[in-house]
Amino acid sequence: AQSVAQPEDQVNVAEGNPLTVKCTYSVSGNPYLFWYVQYPNRGLQFLLKYITGDNLVKGSYGFEAEFNKSQTSFHLKKPSALVSDSALYFCAVREDTGRRALTFGSGTRLQVQP
Amino acid sequence: GAGVSQSPSNKVTEKGKDVELRCDPISGHTALYWYRQSLGQGLEFLIYFQGNSAPDKSGLPSDRFSAERTGGSVSTLTIQRTQQEDSAVYLCASSLSSGGRNEQFFGPGTRLTVL
Repeated sequence: AQSVAQPEDQVNVAEGNPLTVKCTYSVSGNPYLFWYVQYPNRGLQFLLKYITGDNLVKGSYGFEAEFNKSQTSFHLKKPSALVSDSALYFCAVREDTGRRALTFGSGTRLQVQP
Repeated sequence: GAGVSQSPSNKVTEKGKDVELRCDPISGHTALYWYRQSLGQGLEFLIYFQGNSAPDKSGLPSDRFSAERTGGSVSTLTIQRTQQEDSAVYLCASSLSSGGRNEQFFGPGTRLTVL
C-alpha cells in the first residue's frame, strides 16, 4: 500500500523569505512523486515531479523539491516566497508498479504574508 | 490547447436522486481518472480508465457509483440514489498514458451538493 503524509495543515511565511512544505511517503517499490497546487475554486495544477535521476527537481513558478530516499521525504521549497504563492499544496505518490492512480496527502495551506 | 473540462461546474440535488457528471479529457490522452475531494480532505481516488482496458474501479465507495468512458474519450460518472455524504468536489484528470512518469492534468471539478 502507498501513503503520503503532509504533517502541517498550514504554513505561514513572510514574503521574500524561503518556504518549505513537508511531505513524507510510504511505498513498497520505487516512488514517483508529484507536487500539485490548488488555488481557490480551481482544479489542481501540476508543479513538479520526481521520477528518477537528480534528487533536486525544479518546477513551475520557481518551486523545487528534494527527494530524500533514506528519509522517504519530498519536501517542496522556494527560495523567496510571493504573496501569490498562497494556495493549497498537495503531495502525491505512486509506485513504479501497481495501481496507476495517485495517492494524495491531505494538503498544506500556504499563507504568505506581505 | 484546451485542458480538461468538466460539466456541470456546480450541481445541487436532492437526496435520493441520480446525478451524472461529465469529463472531457485532453485530446490524445489515453488515461482518465476520477477523484473526489471532500471539504478539508485530500483527494480520494475513485476510478481509472486506460484505453480499451478494463477500468480500475477499486476506489469506488459503493455500488451506487459507476463510470463509463465512451470511445476512449469522454467519461461520465454516475451516482445513483445520492446521499448527503456524497457532497464533494469531483475532479477528473487525464494523462498521456497510464505510465506513472506522466503527470495528470486536472479539470476544474464539479461541486456536488446533496440536500
